[in-house]
This record gives sequence, structure tokens and C-alpha cells, in this order.
Amino acid sequence: QKEVEQDPGPLSVPEGAIVSLNCTYSNSAFQYFMWYRQYSRKGPELLMYTYSSGNKEDGRFTAQVDKSSKYISLFIRDSQPSDSATYLCAMVSGGYNKLIFGAGTRLAVHP
Amino acid sequence: GAVVSQHPSWVICKSGTSVKIECRSLDFQATTMFWYRQFPKQSLMLMATSNEGSKATYEQGVEKDKFLINHASLTLSTLTVTSAHPEDSSFYICSASGLAGVNEQFFGPGTRLTVL
Repeated sequence: QKEVEQDPGPLSVPEGAIVSLNCTYSNSAFQYFMWYRQYSRKGPELLMYTYSSGNKEDGRFTAQVDKSSKYISLFIRDSQPSDSATYLCAMVSGGYNKLIFGAGTRLAVHP
Repeated sequence: GAVVSQHPSWVICKSGTSVKIECRSLDFQATTMFWYRQFPKQSLMLMATSNEGSKATYEQGVEKDKFLINHASLTLSTLTVTSAHPEDSSFYICSASGLAGVNEQFFGPGTRLTVL
């Protein structure tokens, strides 16, 4: 079993839709949770950063962490074609900030 | 802020040659830098972690004599792929974290290596 599970998609939605992206994990020691966006042939860009359980909102993006269920989500409201990218969840393990990545979900928002 | 650059952005080399990739943090001091590789349509795989002035810590299965990492200053780390072979062709990405954001890593744009 992988430490972090993420459905690779692809996920195709119409412009304006609400997108839900999810990851599950097995290591209860994870405390910090991130979502990265990666455009094709580019490095990942940090979107959201959450500590422990709860919600965090930033514009059209909302990150949720449910540590009891070992489940994290990223919601994108009013999705735009420019949101088309691969979204990677990541969690921090260990004292050296070692990130454990999910497989990434490819999202396509069509006009 | 928190900009990380990589050079070159792409490189093509012949089998058996060595290639050096630079990673720079442009506007912050990176106490820790990380090197990842990513195959097409796959996630990032951590290769090694380096702290300024220390030897890098390599992940299991990564040959440290093949992938030489130097973190000589708080703004520069280099990855040298020695005696490159076609199977080393991949997308190499560095990231950096500094004192301001202990658990935040900022990624460079990546370097695409093609070994012929």
C-alpha cells in the first residue's frame, strides 16, 4: 500500500464547475498537508498549505483535512480553463521536511 | 518571493557524458534543497536531500556515485549526473526550503534531460 493514494484521473469538467480533488493516506504521523499545481513541463507550484485538521480557503480554492479519516481534499470553485493542470497532494514526514507526493490528478477544464 | 531557478531548462547529451544541473534560490536562503526526478505522467520521486555544507542524504535505490549533489552555499545546489545513460533521461526538479517556511518547499521549473 502506498503512503499516499491519489486518483490520477484524468478529470474533465466544464468551465464554472466545482472541482473536488482528493487524497487518502496511511501514515497518521503526517501533520502538514499541501496541494501543488503543476502545468505541463513545469515545476510544481504551491497552492495550499494546511497544518493538522480543518479547512483553509484562498480565493476559489479550499483545502480540507480530516485526520480522523486520513483524507484530504481540494475544492476549486468556478473552475477556469487556466486551472487545467495536474494537482498533486503532498504530506510532510520527518524532520527534514521530506514531502511524500500523491500520484497527481490531471484536470481538464473545457470552455 | 520564494523563487527558485534551474539551469539549464533542457539538455541533450551523449551516453557516457556528465551533465551538471544548477538550482538557485533567488530571493531567500535555502537551508535545505531537494532533488526529484519525474517520469512522464508520474509523480515526483525524491532522490536526495541536501543541507548547506553537509553531504547529501540519498533515498534508497539512488546511486550517490552517479548522482553527485553539492550544496556549497545557501543559494546554490548542483546535481551532476555522471556517465549518463538513456535510462537517466527524465525531468529533474529541485526544491528549496528556508527558515521562514520550515515545511514549505518551493520548486524550480525543472530540467529536462535527454541522453542519446
